[in-house]
Amino acid sequence: DGGITQSPKYLFRKEGQNVTLSCEQNLNHDAMYWYRQDPGQGLRLIYYSQIVNDFQKGDIAEGYSVSREKKESFPLTVTSAQKNPTAFYLCASTDSSYGYTFGSGTRLTVV
Amino acid sequence: AQSVTQLDSHVSVSEGTPVLLRCNYSSSYSPSLFWYVQHPNKGLQLLLKYTSAATLVKGINGFEAEFKKSETSFHLTKPSAHMSDAAEYFCVVSDLPGGGNKLTFGTGTQLKVEL
Repeated sequence: DGGITQSPKYLFRKEGQNVTLSCEQNLNHDAMYWYRQDPGQGLRLIYYSQIVNDFQKGDIAEGYSVSREKKESFPLTVTSAQKNPTAFYLCASTDSSYGYTFGSGTRLTVV
Repeated sequence: AQSVTQLDSHVSVSEGTPVLLRCNYSSSYSPSLFWYVQHPNKGLQLLLKYTSAATLVKGINGFEAEFKKSETSFHLTKPSAHMSDAAEYFCVVSDLPGGGNKLTFGTGTQLKVEL
C-alpha cells in the first residue's frame, strides 16, 4: 500500500541536542511538507520541497533544517536553536491534484 | 490572504444524533476547501474536498459539507453520529485546487460522542 512513513513515533531530546525525524513516501509525489502541531493552534508549516534538491522555508522555519536528496525522503532536523521543540510533527506529500497525504506523526518531547 | 475560522473548539453530541462542525473562510480567490479528521496521535485523513465543482460535497464515513459562497462557510455535517467519529476535525483552505503549497489550517474542533 502506498503511503507515508514517519519514524520514530516518539522521540525524546535533551537540551542542546539535535535530532532528526524521518519521513519516507512511496506515493511518487513530488512535493513534501513538514508541519508542526501544537494544542489549539492547528498545523503550521515548517519547510516544504517541491522537487528533489530544492526546499523552501515555511512560516516557522527557525531552528529547523531539512534535506531532499531523494524523491522518497524528506528528513527534518530539529536543532538546538529551536527553543521550544516539544510538539507533534507531521509530514505530508501531495501530487497537487488530490490533496495532501499525511504520515502518522512523530511526538517530540524535550527532557 | 486566506484564513479559516472554526467556530467551535469542542462539540459534544449523543450517538445517533446529527453532527454540525462549523467553518468560515476568507480567500482572495476561488478557494479549495478541505475537511480532515485526526484521531489521537495519528496523522490527518482527508474526509472531503471542495474544488469549485458541486457545492454539496460528500465524503467518507457519511460526512458531507456544503460550500456557501454568500456566507463564506463550509460546514461539516453528518446525519447520525457514531462513537468512532470522536476525533479532532480540521477545516483547511487553499487558493489552489489541490492545495498547492499554501494550506491554511483552522485550529480544530474536538468532537465528543456520548452514549
